[in-house]
Amino acid sequence: NAGVTQTPKFRILKIGQSMTLQCTQDMNHNYMYWYRQDPGMGLKLIYYSVGAGITDKGEVPNGYNVSRSTTEDFPLRLELAAPSQTSVYFCASTTGTEQYFGPGTRLTVT
Amino acid sequence: AQKVTQAQTEISVVEKEDVTLDCVYETRDTTYYLFWYKQPPSGELVFLIRRNSFDEQNEISGRYSWNFQKSTSSFNFTITASQVVDSAVYFCALRVYNQGGKLIFGQGTELSVKP
Repeated sequence: NAGVTQTPKFRILKIGQSMTLQCTQDMNHNYMYWYRQDPGMGLKLIYYSVGAGITDKGEVPNGYNVSRSTTEDFPLRLELAAPSQTSVYFCASTTGTEQYFGPGTRLTVT
Repeated sequence: AQKVTQAQTEISVVEKEDVTLDCVYETRDTTYYLFWYKQPPSGELVFLIRRNSFDEQNEISGRYSWNFQKSTSSFNFTITASQVVDSAVYFCALRVYNQGGKLIFGQGTELSVKP
């Protein structure tokens, strides 16, 4: 039981490049989330999903896209990377009580 | 709208001191959950406690204790006899019932425990 896994752990992107952050959970949780954490700040919700095929925007969705084709996977897509997207990205999942977080992806856009 | 405020940005204590981390929340909903998470220097988020809005009983777990007061919308966290390993950023978070399970985080309090 690996919990929530995220890949990659680190990534450096050039402005305008695109990439997908991967998130997988093996706990059969319906609810999944993407948060970003800027330096010295709390986490802010980007997108979330309450089940396969259902996604919704969070507080800071601009510049990102998501999809949820399976219960296990919830990838986050950055289409045109900008320096403002430099952050640590956390994926999380839950059955409805405690949220289980992945280890995070540290992304730098230069 | 919901909001979580952690007014203490940084706290520095000497080992064995007691320290309290403050958390004030705002919500109009009557059913909600409050959480504390620890983020050590390694960066992962470690779940510490969850409390629902109908349970104001204080909780103690070893050197950790939590004081939940609905009258002041506060959910404060106390570490007794702090240790260097307690050095981390601590986040308070709010989840409102029936809103997709989203967590609203405070800005965090960075605790530094010096030997």
